Amino acid sequence: GDSVTQMEGPVTLSEEACLTINCTYTATGYPSLFWYVQYPGEGLQLLLKATKADDKGSNKGFEATYRKETTSFHLEKGSVQVSDSAVYFCALGYNDMRFGAGTRLTVKP
Amino acid sequence: EAGVVQSPRYKIIEKKQPVAFWCNPISGHNTLYWYRQNLGQGPELLIRYENEEAVDDSQLPKDRFSAERLKGVDSTLKIQPAELGDSAVYLCASTGGMGEKLFFGSGTQLSVL
Repeated sequence: GDSVTQMEGPVTLSEEACLTINCTYTATGYPSLFWYVQYPGEGLQLLLKATKADDKGSNKGFEATYRKETTSFHLEKGSVQVSDSAVYFCALGYNDMRFGAGTRLTVKP
Repeated sequence: EAGVVQSPRYKIIEKKQPVAFWCNPISGHNTLYWYRQNLGQGPELLIRYENEEAVDDSQLPKDRFSAERLKGVDSTLKIQPAELGDSAVYLCASTGGMGEKLFFGSGTQLSVL
Protein backbone atom coordinates (compact mmCIF):
# COMPACT_ATOMS: atom_id res chain seq x y z
CA GLY A 1 0.00 0.00 0.00
CA ASP A 2 0.89 3.67 -0.12
CA SER A 3 3.47 4.79 2.43
CA VAL A 4 6.02 7.43 3.30
CA THR A 5 9.48 7.08 4.80
CA GLN A 6 11.09 9.93 6.68
CA MET A 7 14.65 10.43 7.77
CA GLU A 8 15.11 9.41 11.33
CA GLY A 9 15.75 12.04 13.93
CA PRO A 10 16.17 13.74 16.14
CA VAL A 11 17.73 16.69 14.33
CA THR A 12 19.46 19.42 16.31
CA LEU A 13 20.52 22.65 14.62
CA SER A 14 21.75 26.06 15.61
CA GLU A 15 19.61 29.08 14.82
CA GLU A 16 20.00 30.29 11.19
CA ALA A 17 21.26 26.91 10.00
CA CYS A 18 19.84 25.25 6.89
CA LEU A 19 17.35 22.44 7.30
CA THR A 20 16.52 19.46 5.11
CA ILE A 21 14.26 16.64 6.27
CA ASN A 22 14.07 13.84 3.75
CA CYS A 23 10.84 12.15 2.79
CA THR A 24 10.28 9.52 0.13
CA TYR A 25 7.03 7.90 -0.79
CA THR A 26 5.58 4.79 -2.38
CA ALA A 27 2.25 5.14 -4.13
CA THR A 28 0.30 3.39 -6.84
CA GLY A 29 -1.41 6.54 -8.04
CA TYR A 30 -0.77 10.26 -7.79
CA PRO A 31 -1.55 11.26 -4.24
CA SER A 32 -1.24 14.68 -2.73
CA LEU A 33 1.78 15.15 -0.48
CA PHE A 34 1.83 17.05 2.78
CA TRP A 35 4.02 18.18 5.62
CA TYR A 36 2.34 18.47 8.98
CA VAL A 37 3.90 19.98 12.09
CA GLN A 38 3.26 19.35 15.77
CA TYR A 39 4.56 22.08 18.05
CA PRO A 40 5.12 21.25 21.72
CA GLY A 41 1.80 20.88 23.51
CA GLU A 42 -0.23 21.45 20.35
CA GLY A 43 -2.12 19.31 17.86
CA LEU A 44 -1.08 18.40 14.34
CA GLN A 45 -1.48 21.13 11.78
CA LEU A 46 -0.79 21.43 8.10
CA LEU A 47 2.47 23.15 7.19
CA LEU A 48 2.36 22.83 3.40
CA LYS A 49 1.09 20.65 0.59
CA ALA A 50 1.58 19.81 -3.08
CA THR A 51 -1.03 18.13 -5.22
CA LYS A 52 0.87 17.11 -8.36
CA ALA A 53 4.34 16.48 -9.74
CA ASP A 54 6.66 19.50 -9.78
CA ASP A 55 4.36 21.48 -7.50
CA LYS A 56 6.15 23.37 -4.74
CA GLY A 57 4.43 23.87 -1.43
CA SER A 58 5.62 26.68 0.82
CA ASN A 59 4.71 28.25 4.14
CA LYS A 60 6.54 30.07 6.94
CA GLY A 61 9.81 29.90 5.00
CA PHE A 62 9.56 26.13 4.53
CA GLU A 63 9.44 24.60 1.06
CA ALA A 64 8.98 21.15 -0.43
CA THR A 65 8.79 20.08 -4.09
CA TYR A 66 6.81 17.07 -5.32
CA ARG A 67 9.42 15.06 -7.24
CA LYS A 68 7.85 12.23 -9.17
CA GLU A 69 11.13 11.02 -10.68
CA THR A 70 12.72 10.49 -7.27
CA THR A 71 9.43 9.89 -5.38
CA SER A 72 10.49 12.48 -2.85
CA PHE A 73 9.07 15.46 -0.99
CA HIS A 74 11.95 16.81 1.09
CA LEU A 75 11.27 19.65 3.51
CA GLU A 76 13.71 22.56 3.39
CA LYS A 77 14.26 25.86 5.13
CA GLY A 78 17.17 28.19 4.58
CA SER A 79 17.40 29.63 8.07
CA VAL A 80 15.71 27.95 11.02
CA GLN A 81 14.56 29.71 14.16
CA VAL A 82 14.13 28.49 17.72
CA SER A 83 10.38 28.68 17.17
CA ASP A 84 10.66 26.01 14.46
CA SER A 85 11.39 23.39 17.10
CA ALA A 86 8.69 20.78 16.62
CA VAL A 87 7.98 17.33 15.20
CA TYR A 88 7.51 17.26 11.43
CA PHE A 89 5.46 14.59 9.66
CA CYS A 90 5.47 13.79 5.98
CA ALA A 91 2.15 12.45 4.71
CA LEU A 92 0.51 11.35 1.51
CA GLY A 93 -2.96 10.59 0.46
CA TYR A 94 -6.04 11.37 -1.44
CA ASN A 95 -8.75 9.41 0.31
CA ASP A 96 -6.69 8.05 3.17
CA MET A 97 -3.88 10.07 4.70
CA ARG A 98 -0.79 8.07 5.61
CA PHE A 99 1.88 9.56 7.85
CA GLY A 100 5.57 9.01 8.32
CA ALA A 101 7.10 8.36 11.71
CA GLY A 102 7.96 12.00 12.31
CA THR A 103 11.24 13.88 12.70
CA ARG A 104 11.88 15.88 15.84
CA LEU A 105 13.69 19.16 15.19
CA THR A 106 15.34 21.12 17.97
CA VAL A 107 16.79 24.54 17.16
CA LYS A 108 19.21 26.01 19.68
CA PRO A 109 19.89 29.73 20.05
CA GLU B 1 -15.53 28.59 13.84
CA ALA B 2 -14.83 25.74 16.21
CA GLY B 3 -12.26 23.19 15.20
CA VAL B 4 -12.42 19.45 15.67
CA VAL B 5 -13.50 18.77 19.24
CA GLN B 6 -12.51 15.63 21.08
CA SER B 7 -13.25 14.40 24.56
CA PRO B 8 -12.06 13.40 27.02
CA ARG B 9 -8.61 14.93 26.82
CA TYR B 10 -7.12 12.27 29.09
CA LYS B 11 -8.33 8.86 30.20
CA ILE B 12 -6.75 6.42 32.60
CA ILE B 13 -8.27 2.97 32.93
CA GLU B 14 -7.32 -0.49 34.07
CA LYS B 15 -6.85 -3.23 31.54
CA LYS B 16 -9.95 -5.15 30.53
CA GLN B 17 -12.12 -2.09 31.14
CA PRO B 18 -14.09 -0.46 28.31
CA VAL B 19 -13.38 3.06 27.11
CA ALA B 20 -14.98 5.41 24.61
CA PHE B 21 -13.77 8.51 22.80
CA TRP B 22 -15.96 11.16 21.25
CA CYS B 23 -15.32 13.45 18.28
CA ASN B 24 -17.24 16.36 16.79
CA PRO B 25 -15.78 17.32 13.40
CA ILE B 26 -15.82 20.71 11.75
CA SER B 27 -19.29 21.60 10.54
CA GLY B 28 -19.82 20.54 6.96
CA HIS B 29 -16.92 18.10 6.85
CA ASN B 30 -18.23 14.83 5.49
CA THR B 31 -14.99 12.88 5.92
CA LEU B 32 -13.91 11.88 9.40
CA TYR B 33 -10.85 9.88 10.46
CA TRP B 34 -9.72 8.16 13.61
CA TYR B 35 -5.99 7.74 14.07
CA ARG B 36 -3.86 6.19 16.79
CA GLN B 37 -0.51 7.76 17.59
CA ASN B 38 1.95 5.82 19.70
CA LEU B 39 4.70 7.71 21.50
CA GLY B 40 7.40 8.82 19.11
CA GLN B 41 5.55 7.62 16.03
CA GLY B 42 3.31 9.04 13.36
CA PRO B 43 -0.47 8.70 13.36
CA GLU B 44 -1.79 5.37 12.11
CA LEU B 45 -5.15 5.28 10.41
CA LEU B 46 -7.80 3.24 12.16
CA ILE B 47 -10.95 4.11 10.24
CA ARG B 48 -12.31 6.60 7.74
CA TYR B 49 -15.92 7.69 7.40
CA GLU B 50 -17.65 9.30 4.48
CA ASN B 51 -20.78 10.71 6.09
CA GLU B 52 -22.14 7.81 8.17
CA GLU B 53 -20.45 5.07 6.13
CA ALA B 54 -17.19 3.47 7.22
CA VAL B 55 -15.36 3.26 3.88
CA ASP B 56 -11.98 2.08 5.19
CA ASP B 57 -11.76 0.14 8.44
CA SER B 58 -9.08 -2.32 7.35
CA GLN B 59 -6.71 -1.20 10.11
CA LEU B 60 -9.27 -1.29 12.90
CA PRO B 61 -8.72 -4.26 15.28
CA LYS B 62 -12.29 -5.42 15.08
CA ASP B 63 -12.07 -7.92 17.91
CA ARG B 64 -11.97 -5.12 20.47
CA PHE B 65 -12.42 -1.83 18.64
CA SER B 66 -15.65 -0.44 17.26
CA ALA B 67 -16.70 2.90 15.88
CA GLU B 68 -19.83 4.61 14.77
CA ARG B 69 -20.85 7.86 13.18
CA LEU B 70 -24.56 8.17 13.54
CA LYS B 71 -26.20 10.81 11.33
CA GLY B 72 -22.85 11.47 9.70
CA VAL B 73 -21.70 14.08 12.21
CA ASP B 74 -20.32 13.08 15.64
CA SER B 75 -18.35 9.89 15.99
CA THR B 76 -17.49 7.54 18.83
CA LEU B 77 -14.58 5.13 19.01
CA LYS B 78 -14.81 2.34 21.58
CA ILE B 79 -12.36 -0.20 22.94
CA GLN B 80 -13.67 -3.20 24.86
CA PRO B 81 -11.79 -4.64 26.61
CA ALA B 82 -8.73 -2.39 26.70
CA GLU B 83 -5.25 -3.90 26.75
CA LEU B 84 -1.96 -2.44 27.95
CA GLY B 85 -0.82 -2.02 24.36
CA ASP B 86 -3.75 0.28 23.62
CA SER B 87 -2.07 3.12 25.53
CA ALA B 88 -1.66 5.88 22.93
CA VAL B 89 -3.12 9.17 21.76
CA TYR B 90 -6.30 8.74 19.75
CA LEU B 91 -6.75 11.47 17.20
CA CYS B 92 -9.83 12.51 15.29
CA ALA B 93 -9.55 14.51 12.08
CA SER B 94 -11.93 15.81 9.46
CA THR B 95 -11.67 17.25 5.99
CA GLY B 96 -13.94 18.95 3.55
CA GLY B 97 -12.77 17.09 0.47
CA MET B 98 -10.51 14.42 -0.97
CA GLY B 99 -6.89 15.46 -1.14
CA GLU B 100 -7.50 18.42 1.12
CA LYS B 101 -5.77 19.04 4.41
CA LEU B 102 -6.89 17.36 7.57
CA PHE B 103 -7.99 19.31 10.61
CA PHE B 104 -7.03 17.48 13.78
CA GLY B 105 -8.50 17.56 17.23
CA SER B 106 -6.33 17.76 20.34
CA GLY B 107 -6.59 14.01 20.84
CA THR B 108 -7.42 11.75 23.75
CA GLN B 109 -4.44 10.42 25.63
CA LEU B 110 -5.28 6.93 26.87
CA SER B 111 -3.30 5.19 29.57
CA VAL B 112 -4.14 1.57 30.28
CA LEU B 113 -2.74 0.33 33.60
